[in-house]
Amino acid sequence: AQTVTQSQPEMSVQEAETVTLSCTYDTSESNYYLFWYKQPPSRQMILVIRQEAYKQQNATENRFSVNFQKAAKSFSLKISDSQLGDTAMYFCAFMKPNYPSQGGSEKLVFGKGTKLTVNP
Amino acid sequence: NAGVTQTPKFRILKIGQSMTLQCTQDMNHNYMYWYRQDPGMGLKLIYYSVGAGITDKGEVPNGYNVSRSTTEDFPLRLELAAPSQTSVYFCASSRKGDSPLHFGNGTRLTVT
Repeated sequence: AQTVTQSQPEMSVQEAETVTLSCTYDTSESNYYLFWYKQPPSRQMILVIRQEAYKQQNATENRFSVNFQKAAKSFSLKISDSQLGDTAMYFCAFMKPNYPSQGGSEKLVFGKGTKLTVNP
Repeated sequence: NAGVTQTPKFRILKIGQSMTLQCTQDMNHNYMYWYRQDPGMGLKLIYYSVGAGITDKGEVPNGYNVSRSTTEDFPLRLELAAPSQTSVYFCASSRKGDSPLHFGNGTRLTVT
């Protein structure tokens, strides 16, 4: 079974600075997807960024980028120019692709989350 | 589009009571999921469905039941509520299996 580990329960950063959130995972699969989700105090789960394991290029979305190290099974999230609105829980998640012959469905496996606070 | 809509937003149940958490999506997604989120924890999958008429157990299905009679709706039934079911429940949907999930706003359930 796949596992996802986020080793930083809480982090804080000053507004406009850069912060990196860590995530490691364990899998025997060679093809899979990795995600970062943001959960602000409103409780809404918001997709931040998605990475496909077969792509060597690191995904980026505006101020958010990842450092995907497949051999090390590491998937960290870098937030540049942090804003007050970035304050939230951040969850790393793993998904194994589904092959029709195997039946079933992809299921996201989540880490326990990192609580990020951006200070003014 | 409303996306994924969950009702109610909050609910308090007494031990042994039953209730249904409603979830509906208007994106014509085939895949739907129910997760629970306990304090300080990530989300754990309760049940999922790959299409109307098809459901399957996730990681923590005990004490719950689901049905999927239509593409749009995926209700979660709690029978004989227990304090261990106190949690925040999220419904989600996706267009296909490897697509990102769209989440509802969650239902906070307290069982006392």
